Amino acid sequence: QVQLQESGPGLVKPSETLSLTCSVSGDSFSTYFWSWIRQPPGKGLEWIGYISYAGTTNYNPSLKGRVTISIDRSKNQFSLRMSSVTAADTAVYYCASFSSGSYSRFDYWGQGTLVTVSS
Amino acid sequence: SSELTQDPAVSVALGQTVRITCQGDSLRSFSASWYQQKPGQAPILVIYGKDKRPSGIPERFSGSSSLNTSSLTITGAQAEDEADYYCNSRVITGNPYVVFGGGTKLTVL
Repeated sequence: QVQLQESGPGLVKPSETLSLTCSVSGDSFSTYFWSWIRQPPGKGLEWIGYISYAGTTNYNPSLKGRVTISIDRSKNQFSLRMSSVTAADTAVYYCASFSSGSYSRFDYWGQGTLVTVSS
Repeated sequence: SSELTQDPAVSVALGQTVRITCQGDSLRSFSASWYQQKPGQAPILVIYGKDKRPSGIPERFSGSSSLNTSSLTITGAQAEDEADYYCNSRVITGNPYVVFGGGTKLTVL
């Protein structure tokens, strides 16, 4: 069983950088890709990007240029940085494990953390 | 197109069968996965690989696929199945990436 927990500031000022970390427990850190997904209040899910254990990344084209996902294998953590945030980036941010291949899916999810962009 | 289209809302009488659909060109090449999300909770995976159920997901949840449409079927819907349901698949437009459908709110009457 994989458990994920998001952490980071719940309030970010406009034009600043949002930073979140996801801590992963269990022995499967090298098995999966690791992803960030967000959900604006009252709206649907939006995939942000993912990183492989080796460090290969892939991002949602609509966010590319503002997003960086990194991995810390020594701590079983991966992180999200999103620059130049606006109110439109206000959302619950989830981290999740991603299984690639023919049966791709997000197997395990963190509980989510609300990030509000406001001055 | 890289979009996945779902009906915004569907209702079903308690104990009856309901099908929730997801349409998109990417589904011709990639299988869909389905997620259940209850208010205030994180999504959970209920179906992947068209018709595979993770451990702990009731047998009343099943999946199927045809051409550009994937479906999630709940046979004998229960009150606790009332939730939002999202489909998801990979797409290839330039670099391969991932997309979610807009979600379907299921009401159990």
